[in-house]
Amino acid sequence: DQQVKQNSPSLSVQEGRISILNCDYTNSMFDYFLWYKKYPAEGPTFLISISSIKDKNEDGRFTVFLNKSAKHLSLHIVPSQPGDSAVYFCAAYKNTDKLIFGTGTRLQVFP
Amino acid sequence: NAGVTQTPKFQVLKTGQSMTLQCAQDMNHNSMYWYRQDPGMGLRLIYYSASEGTTDKGEVPNGYNVSRLNKREFSLRLESAAPSQTSVYFCASQGTGRRASPLHFGNGTRLTVT
Repeated sequence: DQQVKQNSPSLSVQEGRISILNCDYTNSMFDYFLWYKKYPAEGPTFLISISSIKDKNEDGRFTVFLNKSAKHLSLHIVPSQPGDSAVYFCAAYKNTDKLIFGTGTRLQVFP
Repeated sequence: NAGVTQTPKFQVLKTGQSMTLQCAQDMNHNSMYWYRQDPGMGLRLIYYSASEGTTDKGEVPNGYNVSRLNKREFSLRLESAAPSQTSVYFCASQGTGRRASPLHFGNGTRLTVT
């Protein structure tokens, strides 16, 4: 039972354009959401987070949007750069301390 | 600054063999975690430790045991390895202010069970 879903396994975007990565969740008890980025042969690293009391959080080129009614969040990267090529995981907390991860989306940014 | 260190980086086991994956962090974090990553499954929590001396089961604990040896170290043991445990294992640590404090991951242990 996948509580946090990333339905697109891969995404290919041209350098300079916008990358939009999507994530859906099934449990309305989730109240804090994060995005992690992972390069090959490395562990995931934290990118950006959002609390359920907000609908948007921005950090430089990265913006996360949360739509609670749709149980959907998205990560926007503008402009996309080749160094952004990685696997992106969304993750969520509910009322425990366990962080539940999605299945990941592989982003490739080409010149 | 080492952060989270995992050993070994690679391991091949035969079915039924045992081994311990080691993890150490130097950030004075209270919480530590073990995840496994499998294709199409994302990262799944095996066990976690909210503080020294405590451990709790995650989503997929069967076939594993853990030890929080001290504040720095959190080991994962496979008593009798099975092919289904072929995976990449990640250890992570986390400071206080749980949700606002991101997890710091090691670089993983790639385990193959034949």
